[in-house]
Amino acid sequence: GQQLNQSPQSMFIQEGEDVSMNCTSSSIFNTWLWYKQDPGEGPVLLIALYKAGELTSNGRLTAQFGITRKDSFLNISASIPSDVGIYFCAGPPYTSGTYKYIFGTGTRLKVLA
Amino acid sequence: GAGVSQSPSNKVTEKGKDVELRCDPISGHTALYWYRQRLGQGLEFLIYFQGNSAPDKSGLPSDRFSAERTGESVSTLTIQRTQQEDSAVYLCASSMGAGELFFGEGSRLTVL
Repeated sequence: GQQLNQSPQSMFIQEGEDVSMNCTSSSIFNTWLWYKQDPGEGPVLLIALYKAGELTSNGRLTAQFGITRKDSFLNISASIPSDVGIYFCAGPPYTSGTYKYIFGTGTRLKVLA
Repeated sequence: GAGVSQSPSNKVTEKGKDVELRCDPISGHTALYWYRQRLGQGLEFLIYFQGNSAPDKSGLPSDRFSAERTGESVSTLTIQRTQQEDSAVYLCASSMGAGELFFGEGSRLTVL
């Protein structure tokens, strides 16, 4: 089936450093969503992207919808301890129809103070 | 309501028993999704509803799993004859059509 591969799987960084993670697929996507999940909670939406090439920011977060429509990346600038969590990309593969959103494998972020 | 509400938040059951998990989506959201998340894993798509219909049930793991939605609102995910491998957090999300998904806190199921 369709898969979304995220990299890196996990990362340890120092507070204040910038973070970059990406998501790739073998299928074309019409939408990319980025989520953060804290332990014991549901995922929370960070950024939504709807057009190829789109670059969107939300505070210290910046995400881009790849030109090929098969990838997306998320950057976090000047990381802080509360950025700790698991980051997921998600989207509906073009071939699956509009509403079946699949999720990536996740990037686990740990920030060292 | 203000957000997606799921109940129970925690359920411990014995192997072989049936369980029902409930999801109340955000008012007015037409689409509703169920996902399963095993410990330390990503989100596994189970089923989604558009209105009260389920166009895609391809993620349901077996015929022990079923879901329904009524009144274009509440949804119930039922697992019959639970097995230990069913232990996971079951997450519900809702959205306005093809838009962004908003998640509940999840129902943690433990099968002994």
